[in-house]
Amino acid sequence: RKEVEQDPGPFNVPEGATVAFNCTYSNSASQSFFWYRQDCRKEPKLLMSVYSSGNEDGRFTAQLNRASQYISLLIRDSKLSDSATYLCVVNLYTGTASKLTFGTGTRLQVTL
Amino acid sequence: DAGVTQSPTHLIKTRGQHVTLRCSPISGHKSVSWYQQVLGQGPQFIFQYYEKEERGRGNFPDRFSARQFPNYSSELNVNALLLGDSALYLCASSRMTSGIAGGRGEQYFGPGTRLTVT
Repeated sequence: RKEVEQDPGPFNVPEGATVAFNCTYSNSASQSFFWYRQDCRKEPKLLMSVYSSGNEDGRFTAQLNRASQYISLLIRDSKLSDSATYLCVVNLYTGTASKLTFGTGTRLQVTL
Repeated sequence: DAGVTQSPTHLIKTRGQHVTLRCSPISGHKSVSWYQQVLGQGPQFIFQYYEKEERGRGNFPDRFSARQFPNYSSELNVNALLLGDSALYLCASSRMTSGIAGGRGEQYFGPGTRLTVT
């Protein structure tokens, strides 16, 4: 079983749509959680941290369920510029190092 | 403020050769991590350095090594290159490693070095 699992997509949605991405992780000792965005042939960029209480940043809402080891990202009112790969990321602190483990990413294509 | 910088941007090497990749972290960040990203996959953790010491190592062979300098910049070295080492090598910077006294472990990535081994 992969440490972080995501649906690879692609998700093809029209502009203005709401789209949701899901992710599960296997290590219950994981301590912090993130969504990164990666454009084609570019580096990953931190989109937002994910908290158990849920958090929102503009059109983006992230949610964490520690009991189910499940993370989600909701994008409302999709824009063409949201087209990218969204990476679910889990941080495990080993006692000396912070090891980020990435999912394979979910590709989103927003169309006119 | 300048972000994470990496050099070179692109590199072409032949099998068996050695390569050195360089990274400068964000000013004020003391931790540097290295990741390998092959096409279609998420980045895979190689090393983390903090205060010039190796703090963590991923599941990579001994051909991979790294070091961190007093100015917190870092080098990743790969010996005896194989075709399978072709990938985007990413450097990430953070203030510190996370933990009880640390933060959540946010890491900020440089643009990467694209290595092609022929």
